[in-house]
Amino acid sequence: SAVISQKPSRDICQRGTSLTIQCQVDSQVTMMFWYRQQPGQSLTLIATANQGSEATYESGFVIDKFPISRPNLTFSTLTVSNMSPEDSSIYLCSARDFMNTEAFFGQGTRLTVV
Amino acid sequence: GQQVMQIPQYQHVQEGEDFTTYCNSSTTLSNIQWYKQRPGGHPVFLIQLVKSGEVKKQKRLTFQFGEAKKNSSLHITATQTTDVGTYFCAGRGLGSSNTGKLIFGQGTTLQVKP
Repeated sequence: SAVISQKPSRDICQRGTSLTIQCQVDSQVTMMFWYRQQPGQSLTLIATANQGSEATYESGFVIDKFPISRPNLTFSTLTVSNMSPEDSSIYLCSARDFMNTEAFFGQGTRLTVV
Repeated sequence: GQQVMQIPQYQHVQEGEDFTTYCNSSTTLSNIQWYKQRPGGHPVFLIQLVKSGEVKKQKRLTFQFGEAKKNSSLHITATQTTDVGTYFCAGRGLGSSNTGKLIFGQGTTLQVKP
């Protein structure tokens, strides 16, 4: 199993600013992902964080808005850029090891943009 | 793109009653996973189904994978208040097994009245 530490757990930000969310896994994992979840809603995949290369974004998400880094096999960041109130949501980091089947999730970052 | 539909969205039951949630994919899946998210928590892995027609049980929970590998169900017998939460199915499309990308259903939120 893997334990994921995600921070910050919550933040209130001014529109137009940027927030970087950090995700640290306690073991090396092959795959890391970033999801967005509106309260009471499902998880929407933003992108796959690729180690040493550019992230793979899902339809509707772009690198300029959600730049992602993954410098090694245990760490990734997601930046929410030029925030607007529509970006208010819960952002979840997830990891999966190639040899295992289940996905592990961080505790989430509850972002409110005012 | 791949879509995973889940019904019902909400279910309120009396403690002791049974509960079932259904999941349907627009495309054939390589496997399907089920997660539970408690209020305020993050998704936690329950089980994975891989084979056509597979049935797995975990105590009062029964999971099924359809013969065509496009649908799945989770059935809880004699619900308890500890079963409260949102249950998500999450599918991996054919060819995505190595990417690890999961597409989540909308989730079914279960409320249990004591």
